[in-house]
Amino acid sequence: RKEVEQDPGPFNVPEGATVAFNCTYSNSASQSFFWYRQDCRKEPKLLMSVYSSGNEDGRFTAQLNRASQYISLLIRDSKLSDSATYLCVVRGGGFKTIFGAGTRLFVKA
Amino acid sequence: EAGVAQSPRYKIIEKRQSVAFWCNPISGHATLYWYQQILGQGPKLLIQFQNNGVVDDSQLPKDRFSAERLKGVDSTLKIQPAKLEDSAVYLCASSLYRGEGSDYTFGSGTRLTVV
Repeated sequence: RKEVEQDPGPFNVPEGATVAFNCTYSNSASQSFFWYRQDCRKEPKLLMSVYSSGNEDGRFTAQLNRASQYISLLIRDSKLSDSATYLCVVRGGGFKTIFGAGTRLFVKA
Repeated sequence: EAGVAQSPRYKIIEKRQSVAFWCNPISGHATLYWYQQILGQGPKLLIQFQNNGVVDDSQLPKDRFSAERLKGVDSTLKIQPAKLEDSAVYLCASSLYRGEGSDYTFGSGTRLTVV
């Protein structure tokens, strides 16, 4: 089993749609969780951290379920500019950081 | 604030040749990381430095890959000899500290093609 697994995608959605990405992690000692965004042929950039209480940033909502070792990212009212690959990132003991393989999102007009 | 600088942006070499990549982290960032990202996959950590000491190199193929950060600032990653499967983007990242919740700033990467 991979340490961090994401929905394989790609997701193809129309503008204005709501889309959700899921991520599971295997190490129960993991401490910090993040979502990164990576545009085509660009470097990953931090989208948002994920907190146990859940957090929201505009159209983006991240949730963490430690009991199920599950992280999610919800994007509401999708824009064309949201088209990218979304990487789930898990940081555990010894500050070891594992990136998921990413989920590709295409938002269509 | 200047970002993480990497060079070169692109490199094409033949298999069995050697290649070196350079990274200059954000000023004051003590922690530096080299990642390998193969097409369609997430970044995989190759090596992590804290100042000029190695913290984690468990996934570095040490028979052909080497990295150094002699003065705790710039870093170089070398591959010798290169194999076809080394074709990837090599990303350098830095962070202010290793503490929980710190996040990375990535450089724009070096795209290596081995033919």
